[in-house]
Amino acid sequence: AQSVAQPEDQVNVAEGNPLTVKCTYSVSGNPYLFWYVQYPNRGLQFLLKYITGDNLVKGSYGFEAEFNKSQTSFHLKKPSALVSDSALYFCAVREGNTPLVFGKGTRLSVIA
Amino acid sequence: NAGVMQNPRHLVRRRGQEARLRCSPMKGHSHVYWYRQLPEEGLKFMVYLQKENIIDESGMPKERFSAEFPKEGPSILRIQQVVRGDSAAYFCASSPPGHNSPLHFGNGTRLTVT
Repeated sequence: AQSVAQPEDQVNVAEGNPLTVKCTYSVSGNPYLFWYVQYPNRGLQFLLKYITGDNLVKGSYGFEAEFNKSQTSFHLKKPSALVSDSALYFCAVREGNTPLVFGKGTRLSVIA
Repeated sequence: NAGVMQNPRHLVRRRGQEARLRCSPMKGHSHVYWYRQLPEEGLKFMVYLQKENIIDESGMPKERFSAEFPKEGPSILRIQQVVRGDSAAYFCASSPPGHNSPLHFGNGTRLTVT
């Protein structure tokens, strides 16, 4: 069965600095990988996905993620963090037609 | 375009009562998913439905929980004889066909069992 690990419960970064939120996955076949963001009392919003092709995926709000097959990772990145990026971020993986499986989430705090 | 609509946003039930959570998918989406989120935890898959069919209910508790997605009307997640441990945020998501399509989430129903 597929699984996702987000090793950091919390990431703190200063405004204007680059940010990285880590994600590793485990599947038996080819993964479909996703990042979502959740603001307080809201549902999850889709940021970006990797299906196939280019390892660097660009998404909403200036976020991007790099698929690394050898390290089974799909880290989320942004070159310059904004205070408004502070939220809960979820990595998710899907294999074939199985349900989307989520990590436990990483709380990002961007400090002005 | 209206997104995924869930109601009610907040639901309070006493132990032993029934809870009904409703979800209207985005227009054109025929697949509905229900997830449960406990405080400080990720989302746990419960059930995946298409119109009039349950495709995967591997995450549903064996008792008291049921889900449907009728030909007409919203998808319903029903919890009978609620217990305090059922208190959580329940999120519905929808997608068009295709397993590389992202899920679109509603804002959730927060169930509190007193």
